[in-house]
Amino acid sequence: SQQGEEDPQALSIQEGENATMNCSYKTSINNLQWYRQNSGRGLVHLILIRSNEREKHSGRLRVTLDTSKKSSSLLITASRAADTASYFCATDKAGRRALTFGSGTRLQVQP
Amino acid sequence: GAGVSQSPRYKVAKRGQDVALRCDPISGHVSLFWYQQALGQGPEFLTYFQNEAQLDKSGLPSDRFFAERPEGSVSTLKIQRTQQEDSAVYLCASSFGQPSYEQYFGPGTRLTVT
Repeated sequence: SQQGEEDPQALSIQEGENATMNCSYKTSINNLQWYRQNSGRGLVHLILIRSNEREKHSGRLRVTLDTSKKSSSLLITASRAADTASYFCATDKAGRRALTFGSGTRLQVQP
Repeated sequence: GAGVSQSPRYKVAKRGQDVALRCDPISGHVSLFWYQQALGQGPEFLTYFQNEAQLDKSGLPSDRFFAERPEGSVSTLKIQRTQQEDSAVYLCASSFGQPSYEQYFGPGTRLTVT
């Protein structure tokens, strides 16, 4: 079963705008990761945030984590058409290597 | 270097047939994972290997599903007596192992059971 939900399920923006996606999860976690999946392809790791971290940046990506609310957000700044993809959050628990994925947000960036 | 590769990329099987899906992880990666992804959903964990040892198979949906990694490198996911509900994309991922939790995914095998 999926760990949690992501919202929105779908998001359409113009190139240059910022995109924010949210992820909620159900149980205590060790780490939270965000992955991108282009249509018909495998997942690509974007960023990992540990449970004792609150914010992390990587290039145009900014991730926040609120363990008290069991939620995370991914912000993509100055979006590009090439950012069009599905984005998934994934969590792992202490002592278990398996990732539990959310249901994903489909992002469409219009040129 | 080369990424994770999977074969075949597409497989059509008649209900009741057995199928074998192959995964070649990144060289030197200790950990290997199999996930099942239904259309429009996130991947769901099936099983995990550390080297040749299958440490977690809690996600395998039934005893028709079997995975092996005999030499700690290539892995095979076998599905016996396929059913229509087995239709999905099967993703393989590998990882260096602890302390790294980042997983590198292959392109997947799309299985269609008719």
